[in-house]
Amino acid sequence: EIVLTQSPATLSLSPGERATLSCRASQSVSSQLAWYQQKPGQAPRLLIYDASNRATGIPARFSGSGSGTDFTLTISSLEPEDFAVYYCQQRTTWWTFGQGTKVEIK
Amino acid sequence: QVLLQQSGPGLVKPSQTLSLTCSISGDSVSSNTAAWNWVRQSPSRGLEWLGRTYYRSKWYNDYAVSVKSRITINADTSKNQFSLQLNSVTPDDTAVYYCARKPISAPNFFDYWGQGSLVTVSS
Repeated sequence: EIVLTQSPATLSLSPGERATLSCRASQSVSSQLAWYQQKPGQAPRLLIYDASNRATGIPARFSGSGSGTDFTLTISSLEPEDFAVYYCQQRTTWWTFGQGTKVEIK
Repeated sequence: QVLLQQSGPGLVKPSQTLSLTCSISGDSVSSNTAAWNWVRQSPSRGLEWLGRTYYRSKWYNDYAVSVKSRITINADTSKNQFSLQLNSVTPDDTAVYYCARKPISAPNFFDYWGQGSLVTVSS
């Protein structure tokens, strides 16, 4: 099973600041990685797929990069609605998720 | 716009069977361009993919190793829905359960999700 490790566990930032989230895979997943956003009481929402492609309707402030084992989700300037938990997911060998990074208001 | 609506009991006794249904609108459970999945989320396990069903001239199912001996996913084309059955549940199966669609083309990840169903396993 491919294990995805996200860091940091919690990111404390202010609105307008830049957020950089990391996801590391235990073996190469090529570019077969997605990022999701989850708010309390809601299902995950697809943000980024294939490492760097924004899903339909996702604002341009969200961007993804990386390939192989190291991936980054960047939120260029945090809006109030961006404070949430973010998960990465791979689809190389079935589907596994990271444990999440919580972006909280500082 | 695809909408997935989940239904089923929120409380199941240990050793019994957990049953949930996901009703689809805006797509077809027998589509050749999607697979229909169940995912659960708990504090101890995080997000965990459980299994899928899909139609490619015939029906296929795939299940996660962790639940393979206890899980069944079925499609009901007459109602355009699919279901999850998990047998012999224990308190460790307490989680929020989601159904989700995965298209075979971009984005090729879970793009539509149900609202989630909290299932508690307790006597």
